[in-house]
Amino acid sequence: GEDVEQSLFLSVREGDSSVINCTYTDSSSTYLYWYKQEPGAGLQLLTYIFSNMDMKQDQRLTVLLNKKDKHLSLRIADTQTGDSAIYFCAESPRDSARQLTFGSGTQLTVLP
Amino acid sequence: GAVVSQHPSRVICKSGTSVKIECRSLDFQATTMFWYRQFPKQSLMLMATSNEGSKATYEQGVEKDKFLINHASLTLSTLTVTSAHPEDSSFYICSASSTGLSNYGYTFGSGTRLTVV
Repeated sequence: GEDVEQSLFLSVREGDSSVINCTYTDSSSTYLYWYKQEPGAGLQLLTYIFSNMDMKQDQRLTVLLNKKDKHLSLRIADTQTGDSAIYFCAESPRDSARQLTFGSGTQLTVLP
Repeated sequence: GAVVSQHPSRVICKSGTSVKIECRSLDFQATTMFWYRQFPKQSLMLMATSNEGSKATYEQGVEKDKFLINHASLTLSTLTVTSAHPEDSSFYICSASSTGLSNYGYTFGSGTRLTVV
């Protein structure tokens, strides 16, 4: 079945860039997502990328997709303390009637 | 944008009682609703998938008689935890899906923290 993997923890200093990595196995993945979860809250969609794209930038967020290696990354520029949260990558096929497959989540800690 | 309202956000109940969690899509029609369970510091575990007007499809290991899912309309799905026990204490999140959403498919509720005492 599909599998999505992420490293569990990342610590950065305020103002630095954060890079969260994700690998997936399903070659039929059509959409890839990054979600943010703050303590006790639901998931907030940060950004998504189609599998036919290599890069997408949205303000401080840059998503890179290497489809050949099935590698996805999220770069957060000028990381702030408010960015501390768990970040999940997820993939889905074209049919949104099928569930997302989530990674384990990366706990990002921003140090002052 | 698309919003899913999930209630209650927190609930404490006594062991043996039942608890209902509601998810409503506020400005779109949710053709499919997913129910997830999340243990502390872990990822989301899919419990079941429901399509409006149909019986829910449960993932392996999830008791359908314990976790009752109703998706009677395109804007409302409910999860009822029956005869709750302390091991059912968890964070439950719904996700609504609909083609044509600007986020290409999925909008999450804010989650329900269930504590069974």
